Amino acid sequence: DAGVIQSPRHEVTEMGQEVTLRCKPISGHNSLFWYRQTMMRGLELLIYFNNNVPIDDSGMPEDRFSAKMPNASFSTLKIQPSEPRDSAVYFCASSLRQGAFTYGYTFGSGTRLTVV
Amino acid sequence: GEDVEQSLFLSVREGDSSVINCTYTDSSSTYLYWYKQEPGAGLQLLTYIFSNMDMKQDQRLTVLLNKKDKHLSLRIADTQTGDSAIYFCAETMRAAGNKLTFGGGTRVLVKP
Repeated sequence: DAGVIQSPRHEVTEMGQEVTLRCKPISGHNSLFWYRQTMMRGLELLIYFNNNVPIDDSGMPEDRFSAKMPNASFSTLKIQPSEPRDSAVYFCASSLRQGAFTYGYTFGSGTRLTVV
Repeated sequence: GEDVEQSLFLSVREGDSSVINCTYTDSSSTYLYWYKQEPGAGLQLLTYIFSNMDMKQDQRLTVLLNKKDKHLSLRIADTQTGDSAIYFCAETMRAAGNKLTFGGGTRVLVKP
């Protein structure tokens, strides 16, 4: 398996532009997570899905952020409009949830977003 | 609460053992994890321990869990320069839908 695949690896955009980050989870995993990493705030969970359904989006900073998972093999995180304070590394992770337990959290390589 | 705390920095000489410590607050944790992050890279799962265990060994890595004190440690034997990285402790809790909550990370610097 190629692991969790994120694209693009790097994104530089101007303030006010729309940004879309993409993630392909590991085949067979049924949970998907979006995290943001900054020096100031460390790793923050933004949103996660179980079986393509959003379960907890309480970490999404504001309405400018939205995430979708149209099928088991693809998810997007969109920021519209983007602001300089959104600059961070965004990680996608997937895992297998069976009953009450979750196994094998695996992270992608991340997308480094710079908003100028 | 879901706080996971780690010390910020650890310096160790090559060949010595490193011990990275982590404390957590929620006694309903199910799994506890250690991740490694090298510069510019994602998070690599090193090892994990289920909450009903108190020790797990995997080659150079030993995880110790003290549930009474809510304390987790990662020991790296014969530390190498390639072990220089940021190490994150993380927990999952059934009550929180099994989402992963991370500590702030410990930066480990291995000196030759």
